[in-house]
Amino acid sequence: DGGITQSPKYLFRKEGQNVTLSCEQNLNHDAMYWYRQDPGQGLRLIYYSQIVNDFQKGDIAEGYSVSREKKESFPLTVTSAQKNPTAFYLCASKDSHNSPLHFGNGTRLTVT
Amino acid sequence: EDQVTQSPEALRLQEGESSSLNCSYTVSGLRGLFWYRQDPGKGPEFLFTLYSAGEEKEKERLKATLTKKESFLHITAPKPEDSATYLCAVQPGGGSYIPTFGRGTSLIVHP
Repeated sequence: DGGITQSPKYLFRKEGQNVTLSCEQNLNHDAMYWYRQDPGQGLRLIYYSQIVNDFQKGDIAEGYSVSREKKESFPLTVTSAQKNPTAFYLCASKDSHNSPLHFGNGTRLTVT
Repeated sequence: EDQVTQSPEALRLQEGESSSLNCSYTVSGLRGLFWYRQDPGKGPEFLFTLYSAGEEKEKERLKATLTKKESFLHITAPKPEDSATYLCAVQPGGGSYIPTFGRGTSLIVHP
């Protein structure tokens, strides 16, 4: 079955360490997205990419970085510059402008 | 600026007690309105897309409707398994590929 796979499901890191969250899709979608979800705040867009080798900052990109070397993959790195990285991170994709997003099942990152 | 407001923030129902969730929006050139269901600890699951005022979509106990200013998600005779957070999002026109999301309605259905 086609879908979006995020790994790992849970991730624990010490403050000051960079960490990379994986997102892979086999839906053949061009556009991919990273969102952060915190209680009471809804979904906030971190980065998005409409095509390979191109990506744009979302509303809360500071302290994060991404790459899009392959159509299927859109990894997110949470750097030590991110002041409050503990959150639930969601990856999504879609195949056209008017289509709904398809989401992965998220990675819960805890930084202590 | 595109905006989506969902109400109520939280809703508690008894099993079988029908109700509606509201999604009010302002958007430049609506290209689609989407409803999602999100269970705790999981990613949102797509439910419906509505494209134009007057359109309706149904799935089991859920029915989504759309006007020029708002959408409703009607839940008929809900069951405890309908408990979840329901998210609404709008896709604006123009060249943007970025949907705008509401903050969601948390629904709890008691047996």
